[in-house]
Amino acid sequence: AQTVTQSQPEMSVQEAETVTLSCTYDTSESDYYLFWYKQPPSRQMILVIRQEAYKQQNATENRFSVNFQKAAKSFSLKISDSQLGDAAMYFCAYIQGAQKLVFGQGTRLTINP
Amino acid sequence: NAGVTQTPKFRILKIGQSMTLQCTQDMNHNYMYWYRQDPGMGLKLIYYSVGAGITDKGEVPNGYNVSRSTTEDFPLRLELAAPSQTSVYFCASSPTGSGNQPQHFGDGTRLSIL
Repeated sequence: AQTVTQSQPEMSVQEAETVTLSCTYDTSESDYYLFWYKQPPSRQMILVIRQEAYKQQNATENRFSVNFQKAAKSFSLKISDSQLGDAAMYFCAYIQGAQKLVFGQGTRLTINP
Repeated sequence: NAGVTQTPKFRILKIGQSMTLQCTQDMNHNYMYWYRQDPGMGLKLIYYSVGAGITDKGEVPNGYNVSRSTTEDFPLRLELAAPSQTSVYFCASSPTGSGNQPQHFGDGTRLSIL
């Protein structure tokens, strides 16, 4: 069964600095998608960024980028120029085909002013 | 442009009571999902549906039932509420279930069983 592991329960960063959140996953498939979701205190699940496994180029969305290492089954999220509004729980997730989303345990990110 | 709408937002139940969590989407999505999120954890799939009249179990289905009589609606029923079902419940929908069309989430229902 596919699993997703986030080894950092909590992270903190100074405002305007860069932080990287880690995620590893386990799968025997070659074609799948990986996601980072943000969950602020409002509880909404907000899609931050998506990576297709067959694309070698790392996805970017404004200040958010990923480091996708397919052979190592690693999918980290880098947030540049951190802002107070980035404070939230961040979840890494995996999906293969039309299967279920598998979520990691989450990383709570705190932004220090 | 409502997206995925869940009701109620909050609910307190007594042990043994039953209730239905409502979920409706206005995007004509075929796939719909119910997840639960326990404190400090990621989401776990309870049930999902690939279209009207078709439902299937997810990772944690015990204690729950679902139905999908229309494309828009996917209610989740708790028959005999237990303290272990205290959680935040999320409904989501997707056009095809594939990762190239990510799931849209509702705002969640916080349910407490006392």
